[in-house]
Order: sequence, then structure tokens, then C-alpha cells
Amino acid sequence: EPEVTQTPSHQVTQMGQEVILRCVPISNHLYFYWYRQILGQKVEFLVSFYNNEISEKSEIFDDQFSVERPDGSNFTLKIRSTKLEDSAMYFCATGDRVSAGELFFGEGSRLTVL
Amino acid sequence: DQQVKQNSPSLSVQEGRISILNCDYTNSMFDYFLWYKKYPAEGPTFLISISSIKDKNEDGRFTVFLNKSAKHLSLHIVPSQPGDSAVYFCAASAGGAQKLVFGQGTRLTINP
Repeated sequence: EPEVTQTPSHQVTQMGQEVILRCVPISNHLYFYWYRQILGQKVEFLVSFYNNEISEKSEIFDDQFSVERPDGSNFTLKIRSTKLEDSAMYFCATGDRVSAGELFFGEGSRLTVL
Repeated sequence: DQQVKQNSPSLSVQEGRISILNCDYTNSMFDYFLWYKKYPAEGPTFLISISSIKDKNEDGRFTVFLNKSAKHLSLHIVPSQPGDSAVYFCAASAGGAQKLVFGQGTRLTINP
């Protein structure tokens, strides 16, 4: 069964450092998403990405965040200067249609900011 | 943001019986609803969905019911099996938007 893969599975970083989380989407999927879940809280939408541009983003997704698909395969989430409150599990998800149908989620990247 | 609420943080059901997980929403613009299942250390896995033009969708042991007037949906699992033990998330989207709004999740435990 096709799957979304994410790396790293866990990253520990110091506050203020840059972090890049990577995702390899399912090969024929064209719609890409990042969600996050802070411990004990809901899964929250961050951003959606299609045709090499952001199609929708939440208020969480401020100037410290960016996404890109530089080589046509990896889909990355960059946090420029991490804060303590960025500590969360970050999930990449991909889909094959424009509407929010079934999304396929990766296993997540746990980010711990110290 | 309480647009999607799952008021029961946990539910314990005996194997073979019916599990009923509930979800309420407040945004009347939501027109597509999904249930995801999540095991520890894994990402959410899609389970079943329903469009607002329907009031029921069934897939094997899983049935989702939608009551638009009450802004309520439920997931029925029958018969419940030990492998169903997981956290179940209700999610919703509006007007073809790509963004999913999730509930807090309900941890379902199936007891042998």
C-alpha cells in the first residue's frame, strides 16, 4: 500500500535554530499538507500546497514557516527560528483531489524545542 | 476553536459489542465529514467519510450517521474487535476547502 514517509522521526533543537522537516508524498498525489498536534491538543491544519504554491494557510503559519517542493519529490516544512511553542508532532498529508477528501498521513515528525 | 467537538475523551467497550463514537460541530458550512483512526506513533488513517447530502454511509463494520439538524455525527463499529483500540478523530471541511478541522479525539479501548 502506498504511504507517505516523513523524516526525521524525532528532532531535538535549541530555541532559535532552523528546522527542516521532510516528506515524501505518494507518487501520484498532487495536493500536499502539513498539520501539527501539540501534545494533548487537537490536530491542527497548517498549510496546503498545490502546483508549487500555497493554496491555503492557517493563522499558525506565520512568517517563521515556509514550505517548498524543491526537487519535485520531497515536500518540506521549514521553521526559520524555532520557539518553545513549536514543539509538536508535525504530520505531512497528501491527497489526489482538490477537495478535502481522504488524506493520507505520514507517521509524523516529533519536534522538541529546548 | 471549538468548531468540531468530541466530548468523550475515552470509551471502553467489550469485544463483540457495538462502539458508538460521537462528534458535534458548530459550523453550518461544513459539508464533508471524515473519521480517522490513529494508533500510537503512527499518523491518522482514514476510516470512513460522509457528504452532507447523505445521512448514512456504511463500510463493512463501520457506519457513519449524520444528523444535520442537530449538527451531530456518530461512528458505529459493530462488532468491535481488539484491533479497533485506537484514538478516533472526527474531522470536517467546508465548501470543497482543503483544510480539515479536527476534533480532540476519543480513545477507544476494546476489552476482551
